[in-house]
Amino acid sequence: KAGVTQTPRYLIKTRGQQVTLSCSPISGHRSVSWYQQTPGQGLQFLFEYFSETQRNKGNFPGRFSGRQFSNSRSEMNVSTLELGDSALYLCASSPGTGYTEAFFGQGTRLTVV
Amino acid sequence: GESVGLHLPTLSVQEGDNSIINCAYSNSASDYFIWYKQESGKGPQFIIDIRSNMDKRQGQRVTVLLNKTVKHLSLQIAATQPGDSAVYFCAEDAGNMLTFGGGTRLMVKP
Repeated sequence: KAGVTQTPRYLIKTRGQQVTLSCSPISGHRSVSWYQQTPGQGLQFLFEYFSETQRNKGNFPGRFSGRQFSNSRSEMNVSTLELGDSALYLCASSPGTGYTEAFFGQGTRLTVV
Repeated sequence: GESVGLHLPTLSVQEGDNSIINCAYSNSASDYFIWYKQESGKGPQFIIDIRSNMDKRQGQRVTVLLNKTVKHLSLQIAATQPGDSAVYFCAEDAGNMLTFGGGTRLMVKP
């Protein structure tokens, strides 16, 4: 079955703009989590959605937001982009119940100039 | 807040040798731990997991050890191959969210 799909793979934006990233989870998975990966901070949790509801949120400013649709696809949005938002944004999919491994997509590489 | 050990050391091993990658965690309430492998330009790939009611779990060429007393995880890779070269992360599940360690870069010398 198809893996986790993230689009776009690469993105260049200007400071102050906003951006929307998309994630399609594995079929049947209801949980989608988002992570930011940077060389300095490593992998940091942004938020997690399950059945269209945000269940958990990491320690990021309100400029970072997300949503999940009824088909479990998820989007995350970053408004008023800053240079420090340049990172690899990863989406992970899991069934969402019990302890099961999360499967990651290839990520979206965002560069803010 | 609590975190899984943040540092990015490099481990260099000879092809065919065994590799041991270590990780410290600080959240004593964590029930579930996962090791991921990340190759350049790719997302993290699941390797093996372990629940807190176990102290050892084996997969194909990989073994994870959990020592809850000292809050320590290790990943053992047997007969390391060039394809094992990557960054390895441990992660703890704190309830529908993963807290990652800083990672260890494994370099395999032919």
